[in-house]
Amino acid sequence: SAVISQKPSRDICQRGTSLTIQCQVDSQVTMMFWYRQQPGQSLTLIATANQGSEATYESGFVIDKFPISRPNLTFSTLTVSNMSPEDSSIYLCSVGPMMNTEAFFGQGTRLTVV
Amino acid sequence: KQEVTQIPAALSVPEGENLVLNCSFTDSAIYNLQWFRQDPGKGLTSLLLIQSSQREQTSGRLNASLDKSSGRSTLYIAASQPGDSATYLCAVETSGSRLTFGEGTQLTVNP
Repeated sequence: SAVISQKPSRDICQRGTSLTIQCQVDSQVTMMFWYRQQPGQSLTLIATANQGSEATYESGFVIDKFPISRPNLTFSTLTVSNMSPEDSSIYLCSVGPMMNTEAFFGQGTRLTVV
Repeated sequence: KQEVTQIPAALSVPEGENLVLNCSFTDSAIYNLQWFRQDPGKGLTSLLLIQSSQREQTSGRLNASLDKSSGRSTLYIAASQPGDSATYLCAVETSGSRLTFGEGTQLTVNP
């Protein structure tokens, strides 16, 4: 199993500003994933973050809006840039699944943009 | 493109009832299926993982089944309790460690 510490747990931000979300894993992992969960909806994958390479973004998500860092095998950050109210969501990081192991998630960051 | 559907979207039951949540997926080429629980505004807690070669997994009062050929999974909760109230999500893993999630079933267990 993996324990993921994600922070902040929640934040209220002004439009036009940026917020950086951090995820720390208690073990080394090759791939980390970032998801968005808009109000009342399920999870949508934003990007996959591998250490030592640029993140791979899903359709509809771009690096300028959601820059990701992966400086080592236990840590990643997601920045939500130039925020608008439409960015109000829960953002979650995860590890796995890998080779038929479970996926584990951080506690989520509840972002409200006003 | 993989699509995951969960039925019902919401369910309200009295305490003590046994209940079944349903999950279906369109592409049977999956590596595994995982059930999660999500409390309001929180992250996801893994409940059960069923590998594609397995038919069933059990953990306490929870039992999950998988029929890969028909693209279906069920989560059975026995003797439900108010603490089981949460949203239950199923997700399938496809190539590239990609998870596709259903929309979830919002469960309320009334005392």
